[in-house]
Amino acid sequence: DTGVSQNPRHKITKRGQNVTFRCDPISEHNRLYWYRQTLGQGPEFLTYFQNEAQLEKSRLLSDRFSAERPKGSFSTLEIQRTEQGDSAMYLCASSFTWGLSLETQYFGPGTRLLVL
Amino acid sequence: QQPVQSPQAVILREGEDAVINCSSSKALYSVHWYRQKHGEAPIFLMILLKGGEQKGHDKISASFNEKKQQSSLYLTASQLSYSGTYFCGTERNYGGSQGNLIFGKGTKLSVKP
Repeated sequence: DTGVSQNPRHKITKRGQNVTFRCDPISEHNRLYWYRQTLGQGPEFLTYFQNEAQLEKSRLLSDRFSAERPKGSFSTLEIQRTEQGDSAMYLCASSFTWGLSLETQYFGPGTRLLVL
Repeated sequence: QQPVQSPQAVILREGEDAVINCSSSKALYSVHWYRQKHGEAPIFLMILLKGGEQKGHDKISASFNEKKQQSSLYLTASQLSYSGTYFCGTERNYGGSQGNLIFGKGTKLSVKP
């Protein structure tokens, strides 16, 4: 296993279009996270899944954003009616956790979105 | 409740030491440190859990003072490969790990030959 993978790596779209990103976590990792990162900032939490259940969503996540993890493996993040403010790096991370144990989140290379 | 990192940037000569601080206004359960190089994914360095805990990895170590709600990352005898932006990610203290990390804005470290 080579780590978390994300596709596409880069996406350029026009304002108003819909885009979908995919994240394949490290196999057997039960948690999957989506973060957004803009220039000069740290990653901002968007949402996370434990297996196929979406457990938390940030207030940053407007109703134009939706994420799924249908079989508890890969996840997709869709942005509808994109806006220029959506331009950012979208990072995915995965971890394995049980109970209240500490977990290490391993990040993928990200998908860089540019909305024109 | 974004943690505050200081300094924002630091320039070192190879072999010099540096300290990066991460402070929170809220009680913390854990602190996670990452390094990110330009255009790449953040790479995990270490997690600190208990108050007063210290950890080390090669010439990079960290401490976590739970009472002060502060963590510090120590880079000793810096190498060129240490260059990058260092982020601390914090978990609030809800009595256990929640997973959701809140990251600081980062500290950009540049190591010159």
